[in-house]
Amino acid sequence: GIQVEQSPPDLILQEGANSTLRCNFSDSVNNLQWFHQNPWGQLINLFYIPSGTKQNGRLSATTVATERYSLLYISSSQTTDSGVYFCAPPSGSYQLTFGKGTKLSVIP
Amino acid sequence: KAGVTQTPRYLIKTRGQQVTLSCSPISGHRSVSWYQQTPGQGLQFLFEYFSETQRNKGNFPGRFSGRQFSNSRSEMNVSTLELGDSALYLCASSSTGPTNTEAFFGQGTRLTVV
Repeated sequence: GIQVEQSPPDLILQEGANSTLRCNFSDSVNNLQWFHQNPWGQLINLFYIPSGTKQNGRLSATTVATERYSLLYISSSQTTDSGVYFCAPPSGSYQLTFGKGTKLSVIP
Repeated sequence: KAGVTQTPRYLIKTRGQQVTLSCSPISGHRSVSWYQQTPGQGLQFLFEYFSETQRNKGNFPGRFSGRQFSNSRSEMNVSTLELGDSALYLCASSSTGPTNTEAFFGQGTRLTVV
Protein backbone atom coordinates (compact mmCIF):
# COMPACT_ATOMS: atom_id res chain seq x y z
CA GLY A 1 0.00 0.00 0.00
CA ILE A 2 0.85 3.65 -0.15
CA GLN A 3 3.44 5.01 2.29
CA VAL A 4 2.87 8.41 3.88
CA GLU A 5 5.55 10.48 5.56
CA GLN A 6 4.86 13.70 7.39
CA SER A 7 7.37 16.26 8.51
CA PRO A 8 8.31 17.66 10.88
CA PRO A 9 7.06 15.22 13.53
CA ASP A 10 6.96 17.97 16.15
CA LEU A 11 6.75 21.73 15.81
CA ILE A 12 6.69 24.42 18.47
CA LEU A 13 5.67 27.90 17.42
CA GLN A 14 5.20 31.23 19.07
CA GLU A 15 1.73 32.60 18.63
CA GLY A 16 1.58 34.65 15.44
CA ALA A 17 4.24 32.68 13.60
CA ASN A 18 3.73 30.91 10.27
CA SER A 19 4.47 27.28 9.50
CA THR A 20 4.55 24.74 6.70
CA LEU A 21 3.75 21.08 7.22
CA ARG A 22 4.72 18.56 4.58
CA CYS A 23 3.19 15.26 3.48
CA ASN A 24 5.03 12.95 1.08
CA PHE A 25 3.35 9.88 -0.38
CA SER A 26 4.77 6.99 -2.33
CA ASP A 27 2.16 6.50 -5.06
CA SER A 28 0.04 8.71 -7.25
CA VAL A 29 -3.25 9.69 -5.67
CA ASN A 30 -6.52 11.07 -6.92
CA ASN A 31 -7.32 12.92 -3.72
CA LEU A 32 -5.90 13.72 -0.32
CA GLN A 33 -7.34 14.96 2.95
CA TRP A 34 -5.81 17.04 5.74
CA PHE A 35 -7.17 16.72 9.26
CA HIS A 36 -6.59 18.41 12.59
CA GLN A 37 -7.03 16.17 15.61
CA ASN A 38 -8.25 18.16 18.57
CA PRO A 39 -7.33 17.38 22.18
CA TRP A 40 -10.47 15.28 22.54
CA GLY A 41 -9.49 13.05 19.66
CA GLN A 42 -11.87 14.14 16.95
CA LEU A 43 -10.49 14.49 13.44
CA ILE A 44 -11.60 17.78 11.99
CA ASN A 45 -11.63 18.14 8.21
CA LEU A 46 -9.35 20.88 6.96
CA PHE A 47 -9.00 20.23 3.25
CA TYR A 48 -10.04 17.76 0.61
CA ILE A 49 -7.50 18.56 -2.06
CA PRO A 50 -6.77 16.27 -5.01
CA SER A 51 -4.51 18.84 -6.61
CA GLY A 52 -3.82 22.54 -6.75
CA THR A 53 -4.24 25.02 -3.92
CA LYS A 54 -7.11 25.74 -1.56
CA GLN A 55 -7.43 28.36 1.13
CA ASN A 56 -9.62 28.60 4.19
CA GLY A 57 -8.92 31.60 6.35
CA ARG A 58 -5.44 31.38 7.83
CA LEU A 59 -4.93 27.89 6.43
CA SER A 60 -4.10 26.86 2.91
CA ALA A 61 -3.02 23.63 1.28
CA THR A 62 -1.28 22.72 -1.92
CA THR A 63 -1.08 19.27 -3.47
CA VAL A 64 1.31 18.48 -6.31
CA ALA A 65 0.13 15.01 -7.23
CA THR A 66 2.73 14.50 -9.96
CA GLU A 67 5.52 15.06 -7.43
CA ARG A 68 3.72 13.15 -4.67
CA TYR A 69 3.55 15.73 -1.95
CA SER A 70 1.17 18.07 -0.23
CA LEU A 71 1.82 21.11 1.95
CA LEU A 72 -0.31 22.66 4.67
CA TYR A 73 0.38 26.31 5.50
CA ILE A 74 -0.71 27.86 8.75
CA SER A 75 -0.33 31.60 9.02
CA SER A 76 -0.56 33.79 12.12
CA SER A 77 -0.83 30.73 14.32
CA GLN A 78 -3.07 30.75 17.39
CA THR A 79 -3.04 28.57 20.49
CA THR A 80 -6.19 26.90 19.23
CA ASP A 81 -4.19 25.59 16.27
CA SER A 82 -2.35 23.25 18.63
CA GLY A 83 -2.92 19.56 18.07
CA VAL A 84 -1.89 16.91 15.61
CA TYR A 85 -2.20 17.38 11.87
CA PHE A 86 -2.65 14.37 9.62
CA CYS A 87 -2.63 13.96 5.90
CA ALA A 88 -4.46 10.96 4.48
CA PRO A 89 -4.50 9.89 0.87
CA PRO A 90 -6.63 6.92 -0.15
CA SER A 91 -4.83 3.61 -0.38
CA GLY A 92 -5.94 0.58 -2.32
CA SER A 93 -9.61 -0.04 -1.87
CA TYR A 94 -11.90 2.08 0.23
CA GLN A 95 -9.50 3.18 2.93
CA LEU A 96 -7.44 6.18 3.93
CA THR A 97 -3.82 5.78 4.91
CA PHE A 98 -2.63 8.14 7.60
CA GLY A 99 0.82 9.48 8.23
CA LYS A 100 2.18 9.63 11.76
CA GLY A 101 1.16 13.25 11.95
CA THR A 102 2.79 16.53 12.91
CA LYS A 103 2.26 17.57 16.51
CA LEU A 104 1.96 21.34 16.64
CA SER A 105 2.26 23.29 19.86
CA VAL A 106 1.55 27.02 19.72
CA ILE A 107 2.70 28.89 22.78
CA PRO A 108 1.42 32.34 23.77
CA LYS B 1 -27.04 18.46 8.76
CA ALA B 2 -26.00 16.25 11.65
CA GLY B 3 -22.44 14.95 11.67
CA VAL B 4 -21.16 11.47 12.33
CA THR B 5 -22.32 10.17 15.70
CA GLN B 6 -20.45 7.54 17.66
CA THR B 7 -21.69 5.93 20.82
CA PRO B 8 -20.68 5.47 23.51
CA ARG B 9 -17.95 8.08 23.89
CA TYR B 10 -16.13 6.20 26.64
CA LEU B 11 -16.04 2.58 27.70
CA ILE B 12 -14.19 0.61 30.33
CA LYS B 13 -14.20 -3.15 29.90
CA THR B 14 -12.46 -6.10 31.50
CA ARG B 15 -10.17 -8.48 29.65
CA GLY B 16 -12.10 -11.31 28.06
CA GLN B 17 -15.32 -9.34 27.70
CA GLN B 18 -16.77 -8.22 24.40
CA VAL B 19 -17.81 -4.76 23.29
CA THR B 20 -20.02 -3.23 20.60
CA LEU B 21 -19.48 0.27 19.26
CA SER B 22 -21.97 2.16 17.14
CA CYS B 23 -21.63 4.70 14.34
CA SER B 24 -24.38 6.69 12.65
CA PRO B 25 -23.14 8.30 9.44
CA ILE B 26 -24.13 11.61 7.91
CA SER B 27 -27.56 11.39 6.35
CA GLY B 28 -27.28 10.18 2.77
CA HIS B 29 -23.82 8.68 3.21
CA ARG B 30 -23.64 4.99 2.48
CA SER B 31 -20.00 4.27 3.29
CA VAL B 32 -18.78 3.77 6.84
CA SER B 33 -15.16 3.04 7.75
CA TRP B 34 -13.61 2.20 11.10
CA TYR B 35 -10.13 3.04 12.34
CA GLN B 36 -8.19 2.24 15.49
CA GLN B 37 -5.81 4.80 16.94
CA THR B 38 -3.14 3.88 19.48
CA PRO B 39 -0.03 5.79 20.55
CA GLY B 40 2.23 3.05 19.21
CA GLN B 41 0.58 2.20 15.90
CA GLY B 42 -1.12 5.44 14.96
CA LEU B 43 -4.30 5.35 12.90
CA GLN B 44 -4.97 1.95 11.38
CA PHE B 45 -7.80 0.91 9.09
CA LEU B 46 -10.17 -1.75 10.42
CA PHE B 47 -12.87 -2.16 7.76
CA GLU B 48 -15.20 -0.36 5.39
CA TYR B 49 -18.85 -1.02 4.63
CA PHE B 50 -21.04 0.19 1.79
CA SER B 51 -24.70 -0.70 1.45
CA GLU B 52 -24.37 -3.45 4.06
CA THR B 53 -21.39 -5.07 2.30
CA GLN B 54 -17.88 -5.16 3.66
CA ARG B 55 -15.65 -4.01 0.82
CA ASN B 56 -12.32 -4.01 2.60
CA LYS B 57 -10.79 -5.21 5.84
CA GLY B 58 -7.54 -4.23 7.50
CA ASN B 59 -4.99 -6.47 9.10
CA PHE B 60 -6.72 -7.21 12.40
CA PRO B 61 -7.56 -10.53 14.04
CA GLY B 62 -10.95 -12.12 13.62
CA ARG B 63 -11.97 -10.86 17.07
CA PHE B 64 -12.72 -7.58 15.32
CA SER B 65 -15.89 -7.66 13.28
CA GLY B 66 -18.43 -5.24 11.99
CA ARG B 67 -21.68 -4.89 10.18
CA GLN B 68 -23.80 -2.28 8.51
CA PHE B 69 -27.54 -1.98 8.59
CA SER B 70 -29.94 -0.95 5.86
CA ASN B 71 -30.09 2.60 7.27
CA SER B 72 -26.26 2.78 6.89
CA ARG B 73 -25.63 2.74 10.63
CA SER B 74 -22.70 0.53 11.48
CA GLU B 75 -21.52 -1.39 14.49
CA MET B 76 -18.18 -2.93 15.26
CA ASN B 77 -17.66 -5.68 17.77
CA VAL B 78 -14.53 -6.78 19.56
CA SER B 79 -14.72 -10.12 21.32
CA THR B 80 -12.42 -11.53 23.97
CA LEU B 81 -10.91 -8.16 24.75
CA GLU B 82 -7.20 -7.84 25.35
CA LEU B 83 -5.31 -5.05 27.07
CA GLY B 84 -3.87 -4.07 23.69
CA ASP B 85 -7.33 -3.29 22.36
CA SER B 86 -7.36 -0.15 24.47
CA ALA B 87 -7.57 2.59 21.88
CA LEU B 88 -9.56 5.37 20.34
CA TYR B 89 -11.94 3.92 17.74
CA LEU B 90 -12.94 6.34 15.02
CA CYS B 91 -15.66 5.98 12.47
CA ALA B 92 -15.76 7.85 9.17
CA SER B 93 -18.63 8.38 6.79
CA SER B 94 -18.53 9.30 3.12
CA SER B 95 -21.06 9.27 0.35
CA THR B 96 -19.60 6.54 -1.84
CA GLY B 97 -16.33 5.63 -0.16
CA PRO B 98 -13.12 7.37 0.98
CA THR B 99 -11.29 6.52 -2.22
CA ASN B 100 -13.05 9.23 -4.18
CA THR B 101 -15.28 11.22 -1.83
CA GLU B 102 -14.52 13.23 1.27
CA ALA B 103 -14.61 11.35 4.57
CA PHE B 104 -15.92 12.87 7.81
CA PHE B 105 -15.12 11.47 11.22
CA GLY B 106 -17.08 11.10 14.41
CA GLN B 107 -15.83 12.08 17.85
CA GLY B 108 -14.61 8.57 18.54
CA THR B 109 -15.11 5.98 21.24
CA ARG B 110 -12.33 5.69 23.77
CA LEU B 111 -12.09 2.08 24.94
CA THR B 112 -10.08 1.13 27.98
CA VAL B 113 -9.52 -2.55 28.72
CA VAL B 114 -8.46 -3.35 32.29
